[in-house]
Amino acid sequence: SQQGEEDPQALSIQEGENATMNCSYKTSINNLQWYRQNSGRGLVHLILIRSNEREKHSGRLRVTLDTSKKSSSLLITASRAADTASYFCATDQGAQKLVFGQGTRLTINP
Amino acid sequence: DAGVIQSPRHEVTEMGQEVTLRCKPISGHNSLFWYRQTMMRGLELLIYFNNNVPIDDSGMPEDRFSAKMPNASFSTLKIQPSEPRDSAVYFCASSSDSLAKNIQYFGAGTRLSVL
Repeated sequence: SQQGEEDPQALSIQEGENATMNCSYKTSINNLQWYRQNSGRGLVHLILIRSNEREKHSGRLRVTLDTSKKSSSLLITASRAADTASYFCATDQGAQKLVFGQGTRLTINP
Repeated sequence: DAGVIQSPRHEVTEMGQEVTLRCKPISGHNSLFWYRQTMMRGLELLIYFNNNVPIDDSGMPEDRFSAKMPNASFSTLKIQPSEPRDSAVYFCASSSDSLAKNIQYFGAGTRLSVL
């Protein structure tokens, strides 16, 4: 399987704390993307990092990419209850399609 | 733009019945993807189209599954006959080659229950 693997599978933290999720993949990529899925909804694109970039920021999100280790991390700072969702990494390996990981279920406790 | 539109949102049917799921991609997008999501198997790519042509259907589980894209604004995923193990949430997504990056936009999904 060429699917990415997220770590951890589930994460529960207190509101205000930072949440870090990791993603590993197996092949060379054009870019890596992170998506969020709220319960009962479709996935929503959050942020994209190209293969020649090492770090990207968007609001409270910070993404890093290490192509030598074939890994990425998503950091959500100052978490809020509304951040409770599942988070998926997806790799663009060419040919239009993305390969999604299994996801990390994040729960923010008030 | 209304985003990717899927119908129905929920479908309950009996084993053996034909099920048709529908998708309208975002106007101007030329790639369309059908996914299936279950707790056990996660998010699986079933098939995707580019410029209305099926490119990769290796994820279609069996001959009972078929998908069509007769034009740029409509696609269907059909299951005939349906089985209880087909119960899942089916998502449609679209993207645009011209914008590069391959960012996909998902519909709200169709929750299918086969009894």
